[in-house]
This record gives sequence, structure tokens and C-alpha cells, in this order.
Amino acid sequence: GAGVSQSPSNKVTEKGKDVELRCDPISGHTALYWYRQSLGQGLEFLIYFQGNSAPDKSGLPSDRFSAERTGGSVSTLTIQRTQQEDSAVYLCASSNAGGGAFYAQYFGPGTRLTVT
Amino acid sequence: LAKTTQPVSMDSYEGQEVNITCSHNNIATNDYITWYQQFPSQGPRFIIQGYKTKVTNEVASLFIPADRKSSTLSLPRVSLSDTAVYYCLGFKGQNFVFGPGTRLSVLP
Repeated sequence: GAGVSQSPSNKVTEKGKDVELRCDPISGHTALYWYRQSLGQGLEFLIYFQGNSAPDKSGLPSDRFSAERTGGSVSTLTIQRTQQEDSAVYLCASSNAGGGAFYAQYFGPGTRLTVT
Repeated sequence: LAKTTQPVSMDSYEGQEVNITCSHNNIATNDYITWYQQFPSQGPRFIIQGYKTKVTNEVASLFIPADRKSSTLSLPRVSLSDTAVYYCLGFKGQNFVFGPGTRLSVLP
């Protein structure tokens, strides 16, 4: 079946502009996750959704970052007034979840964001 | 699994068994332990998940001791294509914390 898809695959933007990154999870997966990975670095957790709700937004790096999920499916990560340090690959994943347990996460190919 | 530690890098030769251990403190009762593999310019790929004792699938085995404060990913008979970064994943509150990753290099 179809995996996690993300769009755009690449985004180059000027400093100070807003960007929207989109994630389409695997159909039926209730949990959706956003991570960031800077060049040569590990994975930095940003936020996760259980259904349309994000229980904890403290992983978002600043108030310029926001995320939403509608209809228990598509999610959008928005970065306002982008800065050069926002340049990274933004990865989305989805999984089944329930009963306090979270199961294997399936990742999309990522969106490479470059802020010039 | 508030904080995870794992070796930064490992080298191995083709055909050998590789064991990568992740140490995780403050593991919660309902935390699963999950491992991922990442190749350059790709998203991480799920390898294996377990709760206790031993789990085996077609790719790897996962060993979890009774205290669950560590886990060991075992890759049997590695090949050059197993060269990648391997991450263990845990939880910290409502956040998902990947370990720093172990860069495995398989040599011919």
C-alpha cells in the first residue's frame, strides 16, 4: 500500500518568509509525528498527533513553528519568518497507537528546507 | 527511556554478526523499545520492536534484559548494504527521543 508522503520534496525560501510543509500519513494510522534532521545530525523530535490532537507542543523549537492535523489524516507544519538555522530535512512519520503504546513509525522521504 | 546512549560508531566485516547496545534510563512500564535504520538521504526505516526478552524477525533480533534498562540489536551476517546509522527510540513524557545513532560501517 501507499506509504507516508511529504510535499514538497525540496523547498528553498528566503529568510523571513513563511513555509508550509505537508504530510500524508499511511491510511488508518492514528498517530503522526514530525522530526527535524540537520545535516549530519540525529533526529530531533518536534511534535506528534494522536488523532487531531497534539498532547505536548514543547518539542517545537520556537513559537514560529506550528502544526495542525485535520480529519485525522493530513498534517501541516508551518514555519513563520524562517531563519537560516531552520534549514534541515523535515521528516514525517505515522504509526498505529493505542492503550498508551506506540508502534512502529513509518517515515516519509522528508522535505529538504533551505533558507537563504 | 528519557535518555538513550549508544556507541557512536562500529566497524565490522561482511558475514559477521553485529551487536549494538542502547542504554536507556527511566524506562516506563508501557514503553516499547524500537530500532530504526537510516541510509543517507532517506528517512529512517523500522527494523524491530520489542517489550521484553527476545524478539526476532527476518532482519534482526532484539534482546531486552529483565530490567529493560538496555537493549541489544543483533544483525546476523552483515553485508555491505547494512552500512547505515542505527537508532534506538524511546520516550520522554509525551516526546519521542531518538538515541544519537550508531554509524555501522561494514567492510569487505
